Amino acid sequence: EAQVTQNPRYLITVTGKKLTVTCSQNMNHEYMSWYRQDPGLGLRQIYYSMNVEVTDKGDVPEGYKVSRKEKRNFPLILESPSPNQTSLYFCASSSRDPREAFFGQGTRLTVV
Amino acid sequence: AQSVTQLDSQVPVFEEAPVELRCNYSSSVSVYLFWYVQYPNQGLQLLLKYLSGSTLVKGINGFEAEFNKSQTSFHLRKPSVHISDTAEYFCAVSGPGGGADGLTFGKGTHLIIQP
Repeated sequence: EAQVTQNPRYLITVTGKKLTVTCSQNMNHEYMSWYRQDPGLGLRQIYYSMNVEVTDKGDVPEGYKVSRKEKRNFPLILESPSPNQTSLYFCASSSRDPREAFFGQGTRLTVV
Repeated sequence: AQSVTQLDSQVPVFEEAPVELRCNYSSSVSVYLFWYVQYPNQGLQLLLKYLSGSTLVKGINGFEAEFNKSQTSFHLRKPSVHISDTAEYFCAVSGPGGGADGLTFGKGTHLIIQP
């Protein structure tokens, strides 16, 4: 089954404690992205990747890092989480053609 | 740069009534347009997409949308809604850069179906 898998689904952490949210896709997609969803703001792109070792900033990259060492994986790293990063995070992947994004189930992160 | 405006944050509709969710976009280049649905506590699921060709696009669950280039709109419609359609709906636009510029989303419209 074609899918994007995020882990964990829920995470509560403390300010400053480094964390990683994993994302893996099994569709051999070139493109992968991270979004955060906040009430009233919709989804905003954090980072995206066009292929292995190729990443670029989205609209709200501050406080986040990503890496793309393998085509299937695109982890999101918060080196020093802060309460304003409390949000619902989605990973997505897509091929160039057809241009359709597949989304993971989301990770609800709470930073206290 | 591209942007998406969903004109209504909430739309209450009675069951079996028709509904239209409005979406306008702005972009300096040709675009691809999408509608996604998010059911409670779930990820986003693609409803339909416009890439090229016919401006009337049919999607899943009886939804359809019409691309209007002159009005820069991509409104979503359904002739008769059901309780199960209660969800958040997002309009999104993608540029022609092969996905490199990603999807830009609107802020969402919460469709509330009243019995």
